[in-house]
Amino acid sequence: TQLLEQSPQFLSIQEGENLTVYCNSSSVFSSLQWYRQEPGEGPVLLVTVVTGGEVKKLKRLTFQFGDARKDSSLHITAAQPGDTGLYLCAGGGADGLTFGKGTHLIIQP
Amino acid sequence: DTEVTQTPKHLVMGMTNKKSLKCEQHMGHRAMYWYKQKAKKPPELMFVYSYEKLSINESVPSRFSPECPNSSLLNLHLHALQPEDSALYLCASSQVRGEQFFGPGTRLTVL
Repeated sequence: TQLLEQSPQFLSIQEGENLTVYCNSSSVFSSLQWYRQEPGEGPVLLVTVVTGGEVKKLKRLTFQFGDARKDSSLHITAAQPGDTGLYLCAGGGADGLTFGKGTHLIIQP
Repeated sequence: DTEVTQTPKHLVMGMTNKKSLKCEQHMGHRAMYWYKQKAKKPPELMFVYSYEKLSINESVPSRFSPECPNSSLLNLHLHALQPEDSALYLCASSQVRGEQFFGPGTRLTVL
């Protein structure tokens, strides 16, 4: 079983600050996905990283895949209250996704 | 159409009831999934269908019975559930080796 360790589990910061969420594993993944989920809703796919060392940007969000494809990070610049939510990293494929425990992010105005 | 739809949005049922959850996608995806998510926890995989055939059952109790009538539809039949089965049930679909897209979920409460 491939496990994903996600940190921090909880993060509450002020609007305008920067933050980084980490997703680590001892296993190699062919790809990792990052999702954002709001309470009572399904996860929404933010990005998929496939190539070791890959960096992808989505507005103020920057995603990086480790060179060995065992870890990934999500960096948010100048966080806004609308960024509040549960951020999940996930790996796997046709056999279903394995999720990290998630990062509960609260951005206070 | 890039959506996965799920009905109903909310469901309350007694322990002796029989009910079904429905999921539909029109993206031509040939893999569909059921996940269960408890509050403040990540989703946990229940079932995987690939080309309308059940390929993975993660040791789910028989009171949950999945069905895939065609490549666009996925059902989850519920019978004799327990209160601890109350959760958000998520459906997802993907190309067989692609990114998974999730529906909005069904919030199930078992009384």
